Amino acid sequence: NAGVTQTPKFRVLKTGQSMTLLCAQDMNHEYMYWYRQDPGMGLRLIHYSVGEGTTAKGEVPDGYNVSRLKKQNFLLGLESAAPSQTSVYFCASSRDEAYEQYFGPGTRLTVT
Amino acid sequence: GENVEQHPSTLSVQEGDSAVIKCTYSDSASNYFPWYKQELGKRPQLIIDIRSNVGEKKDQRIAVTLNKTAKHFSLHITETQPEDSAVYFCADLTTDSWGKLQFGAGTQVVVTP
Repeated sequence: NAGVTQTPKFRVLKTGQSMTLLCAQDMNHEYMYWYRQDPGMGLRLIHYSVGEGTTAKGEVPDGYNVSRLKKQNFLLGLESAAPSQTSVYFCASSRDEAYEQYFGPGTRLTVT
Repeated sequence: GENVEQHPSTLSVQEGDSAVIKCTYSDSASNYFPWYKQELGKRPQLIIDIRSNVGEKKDQRIAVTLNKTAKHFSLHITETQPEDSAVYFCADLTTDSWGKLQFGAGTQVVVTP
């Protein structure tokens, strides 16, 4: 039981490049989330999903897209990376709304 | 919920002393209040949570209290140990928000031996 995993762990992009971050969970959770964490700003929700095939915008969705084609996977895409997207990205999943969110190990992204 | 204010931003305590972190929320529809601990370079992990129908919850050395009238909730850590050093985040969740937690900015707790 691996819990929540994220790929890759680190990445450096040049401005304008694109990439996809992969999140996978093996707990059969319905809810999945993508957060970004910047110093002094806590965790901010980018996009989330309440089940396979669903996605919705969070607090800071601009510049990101997501897909949830399979229940266990939640993908976060950056179409044209900007330096402002330099951050640590965490994926999380939960079985229902008001229950523990299990976080992945994070992806450290630097955009130069 | 909407904004969640967390204080203090940093807290330094002597080993064995108590630590208290307070969060204030604004939405009266908030009904779930988790606390997460994040050690340096690690992922956030839930340490305790409380629901709006409960005023206090304890788990060994940690406890959370909720004051719905004043719209604030607090984390209490007793007999602090060096391994309690971490960043602690409070959060709240409102009804019908599809699991969207609103996190506070975090409190850096340093426990000195």
